[in-house]
Amino acid sequence: DQQVKQNSPSLSVQEGRISILNCDYTNSMFDYFLWYKKYPAEGPTFLISISSIKDKNEDGRFTVFLNKSAKHLSLHIVPSQPGDSAVYFCAARANYGGSQGNLIFGKGTKLSVKP
Amino acid sequence: DTGVSQDPRHKITKRGQNVTFRCDPISEHNRLYWYRQTLGQGPEFLTYFQNEAQLEKSRLLSDRFSAERPKGSFSTLEIQRTEQGDSAMYLCAASRQPNSPLHFGNGTRLTVT
Repeated sequence: DQQVKQNSPSLSVQEGRISILNCDYTNSMFDYFLWYKKYPAEGPTFLISISSIKDKNEDGRFTVFLNKSAKHLSLHIVPSQPGDSAVYFCAARANYGGSQGNLIFGKGTKLSVKP
Repeated sequence: DTGVSQDPRHKITKRGQNVTFRCDPISEHNRLYWYRQTLGQGPEFLTYFQNEAQLEKSRLLSDRFSAERPKGSFSTLEIQRTEQGDSAMYLCAASRQPNSPLHFGNGTRLTVT
């Protein structure tokens, strides 16, 4: 049973426009969420994170939104650039009464930004 | 550069052979993780160390897999009697504090023929 779901395997966006990547989760114990970017032949690179006490976190062109009631988070990239083309993974970690679980990853969404 | 080095980058081995991978995080990263990633999937957790103590192992980690972190610095992951289903990217990650992001190395790609 997948606890972190990225239902769109791929997304294509024009350069300069907004990219929106979505992620849904099922475990209500998740309290820390992260987005990673992965280029071919490299390990995932941390992009941005958000704690469950917040509903928005922004870092330059990247903003993550968290909707706890819907168990949904999204990553917005504005403006999108060709160098953003990569696979994006959503990840989440649970907190079991002070004992933290491990990062659980979604299957990823491949973003293509076209010039 | 995440400061997490993995060696080798690629390993091709025949079924039944043993393989060992190494991970070197920077010294401040007292938490070290091993993940496995197959095509079309996200990374899947295998095991986790805090300093030299192995605190958790996934059910994915069969008895053919063993991981060590003898002095709380580098770590090794050994797979005995490899099977074709072991073919995957093996990723090492490290972090400094409990609620901080994991920083991944570039992985070791294992191909079992």
